[in-house]
Amino acid sequence: QVTLRESGPALVKPGQTLTLTCTFSGFSLSTDKVCVSWIRQPPGKALEWLARIDWDGDKHYSTSLKTRLTISTDTSKNQAVLTVTNMDPMDTATYYCARVYSTECHGNYWGQGTLVTVSS
Amino acid sequence: DIQMTQSPSSLSASVGDRVTITCRASQGISNYLAWYQQKPGKIPKLLIYAASTLQSGVPSRFSGSGSGTDFTLTISSLQPEDVATYYCQKSNSAPLTFGQGTRLEIK
Repeated sequence: QVTLRESGPALVKPGQTLTLTCTFSGFSLSTDKVCVSWIRQPPGKALEWLARIDWDGDKHYSTSLKTRLTISTDTSKNQAVLTVTNMDPMDTATYYCARVYSTECHGNYWGQGTLVTVSS
Repeated sequence: DIQMTQSPSSLSASVGDRVTITCRASQGISNYLAWYQQKPGKIPKLLIYAASTLQSGVPSRFSGSGSGTDFTLTISSLQPEDVATYYCQKSNSAPLTFGQGTRLEIK
């Protein structure tokens, strides 16, 4: 059974760095065509794809946010980590980790998401 | 980057109506297009992939079509449980951009 679970702080201050962890089970990020993405959704607004790490170590980022994002993995812990630097109130959102369907990666599984609020 | 634009941004229709939502890509993406349904407070649910292939378990009243830059999601007979926001997403290569969403309500 594939599961993904996001964890991290619920509240961060403007200017701080956010670190989110996706702990998954039921698959390995070392397996061919397996990828983990991060997606966010501000309250009442649209989904925004942020980043992806692939089974072969490739990393992909949203063009508009790439200077602030870093995605990494700890395969021994079955975790994928996203850091977002210089957090702003506009970054307040529910952050999801997911195996998002695409032609490059297999699977369609989403975590339940974690709400991060940016406020002083 | 390829941008995905949905229309309309919201619509209201009656139970039993045929509903169509469109998605336009700023560049051709062949048939690499997915549609998601997101109900309030829930995670997105994959409805259709490869522009027209119905995900297992999705009711047959949902269908998708299109190729290149223009795509449509059609609900043949709107049901009350279809109230949700619908998103398209390019599904070929990263970045996997989403459309801005279409909110569907019952009239």
